[in-house]
Amino acid sequence: GNSVTQMEGPVTLSEEAFLTINCTYTATGYPSLFWYVQYPGEGLQLLLKATKADDKGSNKGFEATYRKETTSFHLEKGSVQVSDSAVYFCAQQGNSGYSTLTFGKGTMLLVSP
Amino acid sequence: KAGVTQTPRYLIKTRGQQVTLSCSPISGHRSVSWYQQTPGQGLQFLFEYFSETQRNKGNFPGRFSGRQFSNSRSEMNVSTLELGDSALYLCASTSGGAKNIQYFGAGTRLSVL
Repeated sequence: GNSVTQMEGPVTLSEEAFLTINCTYTATGYPSLFWYVQYPGEGLQLLLKATKADDKGSNKGFEATYRKETTSFHLEKGSVQVSDSAVYFCAQQGNSGYSTLTFGKGTMLLVSP
Repeated sequence: KAGVTQTPRYLIKTRGQQVTLSCSPISGHRSVSWYQQTPGQGLQFLFEYFSETQRNKGNFPGRFSGRQFSNSRSEMNVSTLELGDSALYLCASTSGGAKNIQYFGAGTRLSVL
């Protein structure tokens, strides 16, 4: 079945460091791919998305490129801030006609000043 | 435009009881999906409702049920609560088409004692 695998955390960085959170997927066909972020005590917020191969999603300095050849959608940011501390979820949406999301386990990011 | 609203935010129940959670989607959205989030299993899909009909279902026992009203508001019910049902229950809404973005509420935190 469809699945999403993302790197385990926590990822601990100093402010202004470069961030990469790896995400790979298995799917039939070509799913849409998403990154969601969850701040403490809150629900999920959409961070960015890509719907086809080679698409690059970007938002608030975060970027991810849909790589069909490596079935990956790694999240990157050039310079993290303390306010980026949160849990990040990679997710896919299949081609079944439903909007159902399949999530990775989540990666906690901790950024220190 | 108001976001997805979930009530209540917190619930404490005892084993064997039943519970009902409520979700009001974004105005104009006709699809509501429910997810369970636990530290061990992560985010798992429960079910999706569209125009008052369940159109997709995850792999949960029959104790978990839901419904959707004509105004698109949705409720989910868990009967005969077990300790393992303690979780954050998240509701998401979309306009209903396939591959539409899901927007999440803040969730209901259920604790079963």
